[in-house]
Amino acid sequence: IAGITQAPTSQILAAGRRMTLRCTQDMRHNAMYWYRQDLGLGLRLIHYSNTAGTTGKGEVPDGYSVSRANTDDFPLTLASAVPSQTSVYFCASSDSNGNGGDTQYFGPGTRLTVL
Amino acid sequence: GQNIDQPTEMTATEGAIVQINCTYQTSGFNGLFWYQQHAGEAPTFLSYNVLDGLEEKGRFSSFLSRSKGYSYLLLKELQMKDSASYLCAVDDGNYQLIWGAGTKLIIKP
Repeated sequence: IAGITQAPTSQILAAGRRMTLRCTQDMRHNAMYWYRQDLGLGLRLIHYSNTAGTTGKGEVPDGYSVSRANTDDFPLTLASAVPSQTSVYFCASSDSNGNGGDTQYFGPGTRLTVL
Repeated sequence: GQNIDQPTEMTATEGAIVQINCTYQTSGFNGLFWYQQHAGEAPTFLSYNVLDGLEEKGRFSSFLSRSKGYSYLLLKELQMKDSASYLCAVDDGNYQLIWGAGTKLIIKP
């Protein structure tokens, strides 16, 4: 593995179903992020984690949950999917030193369609 | 509130120069990033500015004026492969990036 991987690449999901999007990085970055990207809108932060064992809410956290059991993995779960969660989801990571200005590196994305 | 503005779309000719502007209003400021995103792909890092002035990196340069809340990305000697969206993002000092909606750059031969 080199960088950040996400799985699945794409998924079609029935409304009401539970879904977990997987994200793994091998760069030993302490910070990880989940974004959604919708046409005409900027990347919007869903949840983030500054270090293993801690998580925080971003701009659009409702309907999503995350966990950070270790440094490498940061799964995003949709407990009960709704059509408005149709989007492209990007996972990112950064080597955060607490001083800001940390470059974020992105995974290839998961294209999710909720019907 | 937090706001990042950049043009939705721009068109330029192969071999020419194009300047993509970004204005921002954020609660804090710890630097400004430019990312490139080709259609269907992930954003990739281009540049980071935290001090006023111009940073040059090959065909790409990025400028920042903190007092004006303004940045631009300058692309020289445009190539067809430069057709992509260019995303402006500000580190607001709270471990988060605030993202603009992106500028889609179309390069014509």
